[in-house]
Amino acid sequence: KAGVTQTPRYLIKTRGQQVTLSCSPISGHRSVSWYQQTPGQGLQFLFEYFSETQRNKGNFPGRFSGRQFSNSRSEMNVSTLELGDSALYLCASSLDGQVYGYTFGSGTRLTVV
Amino acid sequence: GDSVTQMEGPVTLSEEAFLTINCTYTATGYPSLFWYVQYPGEGLQLLLKATKADDKGSNKGFEATYRKETTSFHLEKGSVQVSDSAVYFCALRKESGSARQLTFGSGTQLTVLP
Repeated sequence: KAGVTQTPRYLIKTRGQQVTLSCSPISGHRSVSWYQQTPGQGLQFLFEYFSETQRNKGNFPGRFSGRQFSNSRSEMNVSTLELGDSALYLCASSLDGQVYGYTFGSGTRLTVV
Repeated sequence: GDSVTQMEGPVTLSEEAFLTINCTYTATGYPSLFWYVQYPGEGLQLLLKATKADDKGSNKGFEATYRKETTSFHLEKGSVQVSDSAVYFCALRKESGSARQLTFGSGTQLTVLP
């Protein structure tokens, strides 16, 4: 079966701009979780969506937001980009949000210049 | 709060050497523990897990034992291969509360030389 698809793979944006990243989960998976990976802070949980509702949120500023559509595809948005937002953004899908069932995508590499 | 501490990398070994990557955690209760592996340009793959004290997770020759008394979950492999070169992450899931998220260690880069 198809894996978790994240688009685009690479992105370069300028400070102050906004960006939208997309994650298509495995067919049948209803939960999508997002993580940010940086050299300094490592892997940090952003938020989790299940059936179009945000169920869980990490400790990130309000510039980071997300949503989930009825087909379980999820997008995350970062507004007013800062240099420190440069990171690999990973999404993980699962049937019900349980981490045991996580399948990760290959990530979107965002560079803010 | 919960945290995971991994040994600093990078780690460089020769093929067929013994591997240990140390991982200790701080958490209340009885978290579940995981090792993930990340190959270049790819996302994370679950390597093994353990859900209670004294459980041993194993996969592809890798093993880790959940030690409650030392709050540790060290990763070991008896004979590494070049193909094991990757970044390894230790992680925990809380027993309750925010159970639907992982807390990760900083990762350990492993390079295996032929």
